[in-house]
Amino acid sequence: DAGVIQSPRHEVTEMGQEVTLRCKPISGHNSLFWYRQTMMRGLELLIYFNNNVPIDDSGMPEDRFSAKMPNASFSTLKIQPSEPRDSAVYFCASSPPLAGGYNEQFFGPGTRLTVL
Amino acid sequence: GQQVMQIPQYQHVQEGEDFTTYCNSSTTLSNIQWYKQRPGGHPVFLIQLVKSGEVKKQKRLTFQFGEAKKNSSLHITATQTTDVGTYFCAGRLGNEKLTFGTGTRLTIIP
Repeated sequence: DAGVIQSPRHEVTEMGQEVTLRCKPISGHNSLFWYRQTMMRGLELLIYFNNNVPIDDSGMPEDRFSAKMPNASFSTLKIQPSEPRDSAVYFCASSPPLAGGYNEQFFGPGTRLTVL
Repeated sequence: GQQVMQIPQYQHVQEGEDFTTYCNSSTTLSNIQWYKQRPGGHPVFLIQLVKSGEVKKQKRLTFQFGEAKKNSSLHITATQTTDVGTYFCAGRLGNEKLTFGTGTRLTIIP
């Protein structure tokens, strides 16, 4: 199994540019999560999907952030326009269907975003 | 909203010493998970605790879930350099999303 795949692994862009982060969850997993990690704020849940439907987007910072999951094998997180304070590592994670209350999350390698 | 706090935020120990991190929730949890993130890496699942007072062991790691299901701890016996990283607890209330704790960063002095 390839695990959760994220691209790009590193992104450097200038303030005001649009940034799109991509994620391919593990096959068979029906939940997908987008997290942001910074030294100051730690690991924050931005949004999660269940069966391709957004369930909770209360963690999305503002309207500049948007996420989509058009099918079970692909999700995007878009920032438009990007700002220097968006610099962080963005993780995508997926988890299998809940079974007996047991469903660990499998994290991707992350995308390190730097906005200049 | 649900909050999960961890203490300490940082811990430096001499190799061979023990290490403990504590996790506290403002609400009763249905279960709690622990993750480890190596420097430059991504969080990796370690274990899940479900029952009140549950204790689980993985080699030198001992995980406990409090009787009231509002706190948990991870204890590492005789730390090794491979234990370096940040340890996160993550609590779940019912079928709600996981809420990750603030993490404890462990560094080992050889």
